[in-house]
Amino acid sequence: NAGVMQNPRHLVRRRGQEARLRCSPMKGHSHVYWYRQLPEEGLKFMVYLQKENIIDESGMPKERFSAEFPKEGPSILRIQQVVRGDSAAYFCASSPLSSGIEQYFGPGTRLTVT
Amino acid sequence: KQEVTQIPAALSVPEGENLVLNCSFTDSAIYNLQWFRQDPGKGLTSLLLIQSSQREQTSGRLNASLDKSSGRSTLYIAASQPGDSATYLCAVRNRETSGSRLTFGEGTQLTVNP
Repeated sequence: NAGVMQNPRHLVRRRGQEARLRCSPMKGHSHVYWYRQLPEEGLKFMVYLQKENIIDESGMPKERFSAEFPKEGPSILRIQQVVRGDSAAYFCASSPLSSGIEQYFGPGTRLTVT
Repeated sequence: KQEVTQIPAALSVPEGENLVLNCSFTDSAIYNLQWFRQDPGKGLTSLLLIQSSQREQTSGRLNASLDKSSGRSTLYIAASQPGDSATYLCAVRNRETSGSRLTFGEGTQLTVNP
């Protein structure tokens, strides 16, 4: 059973471009969480999704950021018109149920905005 | 709003020493607490998960305790080894958002010297 997979592992974008980060949860997991780790800071929650539904997006910036988890395929975190402050490590986690269960983390995508 | 604090921010010890990492949280209405390990440039590895009804969990040389009423958890590492060098993160899941976010501390960076 493969773990949580994220790609790309490293992504470089110029200011103003779009970044698309992908997360494939563990097999059998229908709950996905995205977290962001800014340089020298702790991980901060961004969004929680189930298949085809956004459950909690209270941690996501209101502009330029969006997330989806379609019925088929990976979860996508999309950042439009990236700025230097978006440079961070973005981690995806998945779990089979919503409560009381561990979240399993992927290796992260390190986004660098030049 | 839940806040998680980890002390110390960094710790350097000689190999073989027993050590304790501390985590405190402001809202005691938690669902569970999870300790993670993060190696430089890598993702998170879950070490121990303690449910709110539990007092401690053990895995090998690791022991985590939870005192929910005082808002504290400790991670005890016995007979430390250079391979234990990493950043250790504490994260809590609040009861009212049991299906959602983990709130992370900023971590303790541990160095075990041979």
